[in-house]
Amino acid sequence: NAGVTQTPKFRILKIGQSMTLQCTQDMNHNYMYWYRQDPGMGLKLIYYSVGAGITDKGEVPNGYNVSRSTTEDFPLRLELAAPSQTSVYFCASSIQGPNEQFFGPGTRLTVL
Amino acid sequence: GENVEQHPSTLSVQEGDSAVIKCTYSDSASNYFPWYKQELGKRPQLIIDIRSNVGEKKDQRIAVTLNKTAKHFSLHITETQPEDSAVYFCAASRYSSASKIIFGSGTRLSIRP
Repeated sequence: NAGVTQTPKFRILKIGQSMTLQCTQDMNHNYMYWYRQDPGMGLKLIYYSVGAGITDKGEVPNGYNVSRSTTEDFPLRLELAAPSQTSVYFCASSIQGPNEQFFGPGTRLTVL
Repeated sequence: GENVEQHPSTLSVQEGDSAVIKCTYSDSASNYFPWYKQELGKRPQLIIDIRSNVGEKKDQRIAVTLNKTAKHFSLHITETQPEDSAVYFCAASRYSSASKIIFGSGTRLSIRP
């Protein structure tokens, strides 16, 4: 089991560019999450999904979009990148909501 | 909206002493409370969790206590060791099919040799 994998590990974007952060899990988990972690701060939930075809907003969804077409994949789309989106992004999954979340290794994104 | 407050933000203890981190939550319907440990440059990992039907849970040197009336819960680490140095996050959520977790802002724990 690879667990939760994320690509890329690092990325530098220019203001206004777009990109997709990839997240895949091979544990057949129903729930998947996207968080951002700003330097020295906690985790803020961006979006989550309770199963294929179902997504919902978290605390800080503005500037992001998600889709969940399969159980395994949960990509996060950034449109019109802004410096405020500079952060480390973690994807996570759990078998169902209030259970242990397994995190991916993170993507460090810088917007200049 | 729901909120989780965590204190202290930084904590330094002598190796072998105990460390206590406290969290309060605002949503009275919360009934699942996990704690995650994040070492420098690594991903968060679950170290212990507690559900609202119990008041305390222990796992070797780690324990969590829950006071639902006061809406607070605490992490206790005894006989601290250098490898306990990390950032610790508390979180709270409801046990429902569409639940989501709210994290605290984290506590940076340093163990002094």
